[in-house]
Amino acid sequence: AQSVTQPDIHITVSEGASLELRCNYSYGATPYLFWYVQSPGQGLQLLLKYFSGDTLVQGIKGFEAEFKRSQSSFNLRKPSVHWSDAAEYFCAVGAPILTGGGNKLTFGTGTQLKVEL
Amino acid sequence: ETGVTQSPTHLIKTRGQQVTLRCSSQSGHNTVSWYQQALGQGPQFIFQYYREEENGRGNFPPRFSGLQFPNYSSELNVNALELDDSALYLCASSLRAGATDTQYFGPGTRLTVL
Repeated sequence: AQSVTQPDIHITVSEGASLELRCNYSYGATPYLFWYVQSPGQGLQLLLKYFSGDTLVQGIKGFEAEFKRSQSSFNLRKPSVHWSDAAEYFCAVGAPILTGGGNKLTFGTGTQLKVEL
Repeated sequence: ETGVTQSPTHLIKTRGQQVTLRCSSQSGHNTVSWYQQALGQGPQFIFQYYREEENGRGNFPPRFSGLQFPNYSSELNVNALELDDSALYLCASSLRAGATDTQYFGPGTRLTVL
């Protein structure tokens, strides 16, 4: 079965500093990978996704992520963090639903980002 | 274009009661997935509906059930509520049910069971 590990529960960075959030996945086939962001009390907003092709993908709000098959990783990066980036970030892998014909997302436990001014 | 909407925003129930949560999918999307997000956790997949049929479910008991209507909106029903059902319930819609069909999430319904 697929799984996602986000090793860092909390991360604090200063505004303007660079950011890297770690994500490791376990999946037997070619993974479909996603990063979502969740602001307090809100739903999930898609930041970026990787299906195939170029292993460096660009997303919204200046975020990017790099897929590394050899390390089973899909880390999220941003060169300069803004105070408004404070939120919870979830990495997810898409996979078929065993009991049906559709596809589901399996999420990590999330990384809470705090930005110091 | 209207995004995914959910109602109600918040709900308080007591143990043993039943609850119905509603979701309107994004225009043109025929697939709806439901997730449960407990406090401090990532969302967990409950089930998915595609063109009014259940398209698979996760590891949730049968007291979690759902419907999808001809306009592709959806309901999540939970019977015999338990304290552990307290969570944020998220609905996501996608164009289709394929692996590369991105799921777009609504704002969620916060359910508190007392």
